[in-house]
Amino acid sequence: EIVLTQSPATLSLSPGKRATLSCRANQSVSTYLAWYQQKPGQAPRLLIYDAVIRAIGIPPRFSGSGSGTDFTLTISSLEPEDFAVYYCQQRSFRWSFGQGTKVEIK
Amino acid sequence: QVQLVQSGAEVKKPGSSVKVSCETSGGTFSNYGISWVRQAPGQGLEWMGGIIPVFGTTDYAQKFQGRVSISADESSKTAYMELSSLRSEDTAVYYCARESGNWLDPWGQGTLVTVSS
Repeated sequence: EIVLTQSPATLSLSPGKRATLSCRANQSVSTYLAWYQQKPGQAPRLLIYDAVIRAIGIPPRFSGSGSGTDFTLTISSLEPEDFAVYYCQQRSFRWSFGQGTKVEIK
Repeated sequence: QVQLVQSGAEVKKPGSSVKVSCETSGGTFSNYGISWVRQAPGQGLEWMGGIIPVFGTTDYAQKFQGRVSISADESSKTAYMELSSLRSEDTAVYYCARESGNWLDPWGQGTLVTVSS
């Protein structure tokens, strides 16, 4: 079983600041990693797939990096609509998700 | 534009079963897998299993083996997830999502299943 661990659990930042979210796997997932954004009452929305590729319609302030076991989602300058919960997901062996990072307004 | 449309909310008794549907509109169905993911209140996302309709092959998370059954009807472009022996801990929003590669997109709107006596 591949376990994804996200950190921090909560990130308190002001609009305009840079957000750095981490996702670590307990074994290599190559680049089979995606990131999702979820707002209350909504389904998750795909942001990044294959570790570094932005999904259609996702603004360039969102970027992904990493391979193997360590991955990062960076939001270069937080907009008000970016405050949400973010999940990473792997597809190297079956599917699994991290426990999420909540980005909240400071 | 591909959309996944799920069936409506359900209220079930402990020990019973629930079957949730997920219809694909605006795109092809058979060539893509469909995964089912659930989210308990205030909790994270949990993958339950998936199906590749063109092959009829299924894969289930170990946690749900023996209790979940995922099926698909190509003629109606609809996937189904049935969960049996329901307990209160199964109260959650259940999502279907298309396996578009190594990622899930798009997602259905979610179906709330409430298990209560």
